[in-house]
Amino acid sequence: EPEVTQTPSHQVTQMGQEVILRCVPISNHLYFYWYRQILGQKVEFLVSFYNNEISEKSEIFDDQFSVERPDGSNFTLKIRSTKLEDSAMYFCASSPGPTGFFGPGTRLTVL
Amino acid sequence: GNSVTQMEGPVTLSEEAFLTINCTYTATGYPSLFWYVQYPGEGLQLLLKATKADDKGSNKGFEATYRKETTSFHLEKGSVQVSDSAVYFCALSGDSGGGADGLTFGKGTHLIIQP
Repeated sequence: EPEVTQTPSHQVTQMGQEVILRCVPISNHLYFYWYRQILGQKVEFLVSFYNNEISEKSEIFDDQFSVERPDGSNFTLKIRSTKLEDSAMYFCASSPGPTGFFGPGTRLTVL
Repeated sequence: GNSVTQMEGPVTLSEEAFLTINCTYTATGYPSLFWYVQYPGEGLQLLLKATKADDKGSNKGFEATYRKETTSFHLEKGSVQVSDSAVYFCALSGDSGGGADGLTFGKGTHLIIQP
């Protein structure tokens, strides 16, 4: 059964550094999403991406965040200058419609 | 805006007990409703969904009915197992139909089943 994959499973970085979280969505899906879950808190929507552009973003998704689909298969989330409060699980999802298929997540730890 | 409220845990039950996890929502229009499950160390998995009022979603012995009159989507299971221990998230999506809307999640309910 096809599934969404994410790499790395755990990323440790220093505050102020740039990180790129990678996702491979399910191949025939058209909508792509990033969510995050700060430890002990609820899952929060960050951004959705359709037809090679951002279709919706939350107030969390500020200028330090960007998304890209560089090669037609990968879907990346870049955080330009990480802050301590960016430490969270980041989930990628893809869907042909509103039901998202989620990846296993990348745990980002900012020191 | 949209919001989802679910009972906070942890909820601790004995094996074979009856489970109810409450979920209520606030939304404009006619959202679709979902339950996701997150097992330890894993990502979110869709457990079940309902797309219109009075629909019942079911999977793996779990079920939930979309109640528009009470704006609820409570999750139930008649006899839980230790393997059901996980965090359960209620979620909704908007009714734009375009698929681009993000999901709005509840805070999650940690379920612990003891043998």
